[in-house]
Amino acid sequence: KQEVTQIPAALSVPEGENLVLNCSFTDSAIYNLQWFRQDPGKGLTSLLLIQSSQREQTSGRLNASLDKSSGRSTLYIAASQPGDSATYLCAVTYSGAGSYQLTFGKGTKLSVIP
Amino acid sequence: GAGVSQTPSNKVTEKGKYVELRCDPISGHTALYWYRQSLGQGPEFLIYFQGTGAADDSGLPNDRFFAVRPEGSVSTLKIQRTERGDSAVYLCASSESQGKQYFGPGTRLTVL
Repeated sequence: KQEVTQIPAALSVPEGENLVLNCSFTDSAIYNLQWFRQDPGKGLTSLLLIQSSQREQTSGRLNASLDKSSGRSTLYIAASQPGDSATYLCAVTYSGAGSYQLTFGKGTKLSVIP
Repeated sequence: GAGVSQTPSNKVTEKGKYVELRCDPISGHTALYWYRQSLGQGPEFLIYFQGTGAADDSGLPNDRFFAVRPEGSVSTLKIQRTERGDSAVYLCASSESQGKQYFGPGTRLTVL
């Protein structure tokens, strides 16, 4: 069974700092990996999607990397802002799952202090 | 265009009652997913529809849970004889076949 782990569970940083969120998964046979943002009481917003053949994706101040062989992904956030405060979820699609269902980690709760 | 919508946004019910949760996917999306998110956890997969049929219901926790998508668009998740442990946020997502999934805002279910 595919398991996804996110470390740390919570992170507090001062505004302007660069930070890294970590995600690991147990089965390297993935189809893709996504990073989501979830604000309190809201649904999920997809930030970046990395296909299994890719090494990284970038969007604005966000950069996500993927190392399939080691079962790891990182989300790098540059020059953090208070508006970045949210829970960040990592999810993988296992290539053996015909439904392309997402398997999520528990998330990292980020607080950016002004 | 409009995103995925879910109704109601909040549902409070008593233990033992029956509830229905509705999901309106993005128009034209053939794939529809239901997930359940308990407090402090990531979402967990419940069921997947491709068109009108439930292609994968392996995530449904027991036979009190059932979902339909009769016309290949709107889907309803049905929970019979609700229990306090069913309290969670129920999320719906849709996608174009195997593409990126777009999530709705969720329905927060509270079973008293």
